[in-house]
Amino acid sequence: KNEVEQSPQNLTAQEGEFITINCSYSVGISALHWLQQHPGGGIVSLFMLSSGKKKHGRLIATINIQEKHSSLHITASHPRDSAVYICAVPTYSGGGADGLTFGKGTHLIIQP
Amino acid sequence: DSGVTQTPKHLITATGQRVTLRCSPRSGDLSVYWYQQSLDQGLQFLIHYYNGEERAKGNILERFSAQQFPDLHSELNLSSLELGDSALYFCASSVFAHEQFFGPGTRLTVL
Repeated sequence: KNEVEQSPQNLTAQEGEFITINCSYSVGISALHWLQQHPGGGIVSLFMLSSGKKKHGRLIATINIQEKHSSLHITASHPRDSAVYICAVPTYSGGGADGLTFGKGTHLIIQP
Repeated sequence: DSGVTQTPKHLITATGQRVTLRCSPRSGDLSVYWYQQSLDQGLQFLIHYYNGEERAKGNILERFSAQQFPDLHSELNLSSLELGDSALYFCASSVFAHEQFFGPGTRLTVL
């Protein structure tokens, strides 16, 4: 069964700073998910990636399959980026039928 | 708005009772996943249905069951409820093995 570690657990930064959140997992996977959860509780899918890099506005996600590691970067951070960011992978190495195993999340606060 | 709907939004009930949570997936998605988020366990995968058939089970208790109907909506049934079952329950839908889109969740409080 896959294990997911995220760091840091908590991160407070100033508006405009470049943010990096890291995720490592134990078992080879088909794809990795980055999710965002706001204080109201709703979960939004940010990225699903299986190799290389993806960019969406100010968000960038990278993955290194050989090293079993992924990073989520936020450029020019803004207070509205304050949320919990969660890394998730298929529970087993298979992929499609699996539900996700989640990291504990990174609580990000961006101060104005 | 992810296009996934869940009802009810909030549910308060007593120990020993039974409740049913409902999820309607995005149009065209055949997969429905159920997840539980509690303060002590975090987010956990419960069960996955694809086009009406169970495809994978996670940490789902025997007191819990689910099904997916021909119109693809899904229901999660929780019975003999205990205080520890209080949690946020999310469903997510996807095209098989693709990005998952989460519903707004049902907050269950067991008193």
